[in-house]
Amino acid sequence: EPEVTQTPSHQVTQMGQEVILRCVPISNHLYFYWYRQILGQKVEFLVSFYNNEISEKSEIFDDQFSVERPDGSNFTLKIRSTKLEDSAMYFCASSERSPPKIEQFFGPGTRLTVL
Amino acid sequence: AQSVTQLGSHVSVSEGALVLLRCNYSSSVPPYLFWYVQYPNQGLQLLLKYTSAATLVKGINGFEAEFKKSETSFHLTKPSAHMSDAAEYFCAVRKAAGNKLTFGGGTRVLVKP
Repeated sequence: EPEVTQTPSHQVTQMGQEVILRCVPISNHLYFYWYRQILGQKVEFLVSFYNNEISEKSEIFDDQFSVERPDGSNFTLKIRSTKLEDSAMYFCASSERSPPKIEQFFGPGTRLTVL
Repeated sequence: AQSVTQLGSHVSVSEGALVLLRCNYSSSVPPYLFWYVQYPNQGLQLLLKYTSAATLVKGINGFEAEFKKSETSFHLTKPSAHMSDAAEYFCAVRKAAGNKLTFGGGTRVLVKP
């Protein structure tokens, strides 16, 4: 069964460093998303991406964040200068067609720890 | 703004007993509603979804949920809990226009033998 994959499973970085979280969405999917979950808090939407551009973003997704689909298979989230409060589980998701009825398929997540 | 409230961050049930997980949403118009399950070290997996068809929705693993507009609720049930149901369950809502899912806080289910 096709699935969304994410690498690495765990990333530890120093405050101020740049990190890139990688995702491989399901191959025929066209819509891509990033969510995050700070420990003990709700899963929060960060951004959605379609046709090589951001289609929606939350107030969390400020200038330190960026997304990219560098090739036909990967979808990345870059955090330019990490802060302690960026420590969270980051989930990538993809969907086949346009929302809202269509299910989003989630990856297993990358746990980011900022020291 | 939409919000989702899951009553009870932890639920403990005995194997074979009814599982009931509560979800209430706030939305000016009926949204699309989803229940996801997360097993340890795995991603979020869709259990079921409500998309304005039947109000009683059946999902995987014997779960079902009923959409009640008058109560703005979408509670998840399973008649008989199994040990494998131990996981965290998330209710989520999406507006008719828009991409993002808004999640509740999650309910962790413990199944006792």
